[in-house]
Amino acid sequence: EPEVTQTPSHQVTQMGQEVILRCVPISNHLYFYWYRQILGQKVEFLVSFYNNEISEKSEIFDDQFSVERPDGSNFTLKIRSTKLEDSAMYFCASTAEHMNTEAFFGQGTRLTVV
Amino acid sequence: DAKTTQPPSMDCAEGRAANLPCNHSTISGNEYVYWYRQIHSQGPQYIIHGLKNNETNEMASLIITEDRKSSTLILPHATLRDTAVYYCIVRVHNAGNMLTFGGGTRLMVKP
Repeated sequence: EPEVTQTPSHQVTQMGQEVILRCVPISNHLYFYWYRQILGQKVEFLVSFYNNEISEKSEIFDDQFSVERPDGSNFTLKIRSTKLEDSAMYFCASTAEHMNTEAFFGQGTRLTVV
Repeated sequence: DAKTTQPPSMDCAEGRAANLPCNHSTISGNEYVYWYRQIHSQGPQYIIHGLKNNETNEMASLIITEDRKSSTLILPHATLRDTAVYYCIVRVHNAGNMLTFGGGTRLMVKP
């Protein structure tokens, strides 16, 4: 069965450092998303991406965050200057065409900012 | 998206049916009911969705009341591996739309 792949599974970084979280969505999918989940809290939407541009973003997704699809397969989330409160599980997801709305999630990257 | 209300936790005996309720009294005509689950800290997993008719797939059944103000997810023969947080989400049927996760129901399947 096709799956969304995220790397690394766990990333530890110093406060103020830049991190890039990587995702390989399912190959024929068109819509890509990043969500995050702070330990013990709800899964929160960050951003959606379609046709090489951001289609929607939440208040969490401020200027410290950016997304990119640098080639035909990868989808990345960059945090420019990490803060302690950025520590969370980050999930990438993708969906297929317009009316096929089942979202497939990756297994997540656990980001720990120290 | 309309708001949903779910019990915070439920228990179910292994092998029995697990019936997870969800209230969505403010649902609008173009909104579907979706169910996802999250096992431990893994990524959420799609289970099923529906508009107004009952739906069934290999994982579960979805029963939506006639007025569409509530629904029930049924796992017909729960196993220990079904222990997870189950999320009921109401949203417009559009692939580009985000998912808004609430607190969900923590289902504990016990031997």
